[in-house]
Amino acid sequence: DTGVSQNPRHKITKRGQNVTFRCDPISEHNRLYWYRQTLGQGPEFLTYFQNEAQLEKSRLLSDRFSAERPKGSFSTLEIQRTEQGDSAMYLCASSPSSSTDTQYFGPGTRLTVL
Amino acid sequence: AQSVAQPEDQVNVAEGNPLTVKCTYSVSGNPYLFWYVQYPNRGLQFLLKYITGDNLVKGSYGFEAEFNKSQTSFHLKKPSALVSDSALYFCAVRDLDTGRRALTFGSGTRLQVQP
Repeated sequence: DTGVSQNPRHKITKRGQNVTFRCDPISEHNRLYWYRQTLGQGPEFLTYFQNEAQLEKSRLLSDRFSAERPKGSFSTLEIQRTEQGDSAMYLCASSPSSSTDTQYFGPGTRLTVL
Repeated sequence: AQSVAQPEDQVNVAEGNPLTVKCTYSVSGNPYLFWYVQYPNRGLQFLLKYITGDNLVKGSYGFEAEFNKSQTSFHLKKPSALVSDSALYFCAVRDLDTGRRALTFGSGTRLQVQP
């Protein structure tokens, strides 16, 4: 399978714990995006990388959230001191480097904070 | 700012009948428009996109969408619905003139195709 992959697919944690998600983009794509989707809503943009540079960050990305893409390949999204409001599906997407690129999404990581 | 509205939470259609899922958008510059489909517990699958050119765009699985600049709409259509088309559909927009890459999504429309 050469699509975007995300791990884990499901994560259950207790309030106050830290969690980390991983995204592996399509191999030739140098752009990578993180979105969050809550029940009954469309995805909301969190952040975007071109290679290893984080070029856009949403106001939704509070201080407890940090994303990295150290070698311009896979990316991690960490949430510190999780809150119940962080419960959501976290989606990763990747795209090639062109002005009219299409974002291709992974299956998502569903986070439940108890 | 960019925004998308999907006015219908759910659309019901009988198998074999044509379907339309509505989307209207708002951007300051030129729109770059997408439709994605989401099946239960899965990520979004790309269906089609509009950048420029013909107002009728053809995509995957027999879907097409019509861009209407004056009405700022990008409705998704299919001539003959299948039960397997039942899913959640999202319209998304990006403003080509801002240089930002973030997509703004609508809240989604659930399509239910009855046999």
